[in-house]
Order: sequence, then C-alpha cells, then structure tokens
Amino acid sequence: DQQVKQNSPSLSVQEGRISILNCDYTNSMFDYFLWYKKYPAEGPTFLISISSIKDKNEDGRFTVFLNKSAKHLSLHIVPSQPGDSAVYFCAASPMNRDDKIIFGKGTRLHILP
Amino acid sequence: NAGVTQTPKFRILKIGQSMTLQCAQDMNHNYMYWYRQDPGMGLKLIYYSVGAGITDKGEVPNGYNVSRSTTEDFPLRLELAAPSQTSVYFCASSKASVSNQPQHFGDGTRLSIL
Repeated sequence: DQQVKQNSPSLSVQEGRISILNCDYTNSMFDYFLWYKKYPAEGPTFLISISSIKDKNEDGRFTVFLNKSAKHLSLHIVPSQPGDSAVYFCAASPMNRDDKIIFGKGTRLHILP
Repeated sequence: NAGVTQTPKFRILKIGQSMTLQCAQDMNHNYMYWYRQDPGMGLKLIYYSVGAGITDKGEVPNGYNVSRSTTEDFPLRLELAAPSQTSVYFCASSKASVSNQPQHFGDGTRLSIL
C-alpha cells in the first residue's frame, strides 16, 4: 500500500519550459513534505520542502505547491535546464517523526534540448 | 567537504555471508539514517539514530543491525545475507529531525547477494 505516490515514472520537457512533477499521498498524518533530486550513481540531494501550514514554498526556479484537501503536492521547475535531468523523489512524514519518512518511487525528468 | 562517506561502493556477497556497510559523516550531525532502494522503488528506512548510543528501527529493519558508538559513524551490519537484501544502500545524516533540517546523503553502496 503506497502512502506516497508518484504516478508518472518519467516526464520529458523542452528546455526553457515549465516542468511539473506530481505527488499524491494517502496518510492524513503527513504534515511535512520534501523533494529530493538524484543523479545516477549519486545519493539524493535535498531540493525543497513544505510544511502543512503553507500551501506554497519557493526557492529560485523551484516551487512546491501543497493542496491538503486533495492530498496532492507538485514541484514546478521554471525554466527547465539540462542539469535538471534527474530522478525526483517526493517524501512525506509526520512532523518530527523520522521513523515515519515515506518516499515515492520517483519520477525521471528528461530535459530535451 | 567530505559530507557523508559510504564504503564500499560495490560489493558482491554469497548467501549466508556477513558484512558491515560503513558510513561516516564529518558535519557533526546528530541524526543518521540508513535506507535501501530496490529497483524502481523509493527509499525505505531501515534504521536511524538521533545521537550516539541511540538507535531505532525504521520501516524495514529485519535482517540488519546497527550501532552508533560515535557521532561520526553509523555502520550497518548484515549478519546472514539473503538474496532479498540485494539493493542499493544509502546512508544519510541531518543536524536535527528531517522536518527541521534536510538530510545529506552519501553516494550509496550497491550490494548484490548471490
């Protein structure tokens, strides 16, 4: 039973356009959400996070939107760059419960020239 | 800037053998974690530690053991390797809880059990 779902295994986006990666969750106890980026043969790198008291968090080209009623969050990358080609993992946990961190399966983003 | 260092990077074990995956961090982080990532899947938490001398189980602890005798090191022990433990193992650390501080990951150990 997947508590964090990334339903798109892969996504291709033209360089310069917007990339939108989606994540759905089922556990209403989750109140903290993170996005990680992973290149091949490397560990994941933290990208951006959001707590449930917010509906948007922005950091440069990256924005995460949270819709609590729909149990849905999305990561927007604008504009998309070649270096953004990677696997993106969505993760969720109840606040301050490190033993309950759940990761999605990831979405592979391809930025096309 | 070493960050989180994992050794070895690759290892092949026979069924029933044992080994220790090493993890060291030089950021003076209190929290450390071990994850496994199976092909096409997300990361799953095996064990974690909130400080030296304290360890707790994560989602998938069976078949593994950990210890945390120092702040810097958090080794993961496989006592009787089984094919189901073939995976990529990631160690991570953070200054505080993941909801207050992001995790820093090592580059992983790819382990095959044959």
